[in-house]
Amino acid sequence: LAKTTQPISMDSYEGQEVNITCSHNNIATNDYITWYQQFPSQGPRFIIQGYKTKVTNEVASLFIPADRKSSTLSLPRVSLSDTAVYYCLVGEGANNLFFGTGTRLTVIP
Amino acid sequence: GAGVSQTPSNKVTEKGKYVELRCDPISGHTALYWYRQSLGQGPEFLIYFQGTGAADDSGLPNDRFFAVRPEGSVSTLKIQRTERGDSAVYLCASSPSTAADYGYTFGSGTRLTVV
Repeated sequence: LAKTTQPISMDSYEGQEVNITCSHNNIATNDYITWYQQFPSQGPRFIIQGYKTKVTNEVASLFIPADRKSSTLSLPRVSLSDTAVYYCLVGEGANNLFFGTGTRLTVIP
Repeated sequence: GAGVSQTPSNKVTEKGKYVELRCDPISGHTALYWYRQSLGQGPEFLIYFQGTGAADDSGLPNDRFFAVRPEGSVSTLKIQRTERGDSAVYLCASSPSTAADYGYTFGSGTRLTVV
């Protein structure tokens, strides 16, 4: 089971772009990379998922280099409501189970 | 409903009592997962169902924990002889498939407090 390493916390000012990098050196060929966001008293919410190169949706972008040993979640122009814990998961289907402690992002006015 | 529903949202029980936590997944989702989250930690996997059967129960901490999904929809997590260490938020998630190209949709959880 591929484990991930993320920064414990990050601070950012409103309006800035935030990049959170996750290391997953033991990623397997069939593994996908998935990011979740969690607010207090709520379950995690799916943000974005990718396998390689770049994926973009209305919320975020996910950058994955060719060796896939890391990935970067990019949040454009963060607002106070983006303050949350962000989890990076690596796995295939039902093996996508290990959340770790995540990155606590605090957006400052 | 539109999302994953978990009931009750809060449960306080005395040490040694039995509790049941319910999860209503999104209609049509075949995969259902239970997680446990302690304060300041990420969710910890407990058990995963594909249809009615438990495909992986390796995360259940001991035999006091049991989960069922008899008709392949609603699931119940059962905890016998509760201990104070069982206090946590119990999260349920569902997915249309176990394929990696689907994210999981989580409920808001049941906060269990054992006193």
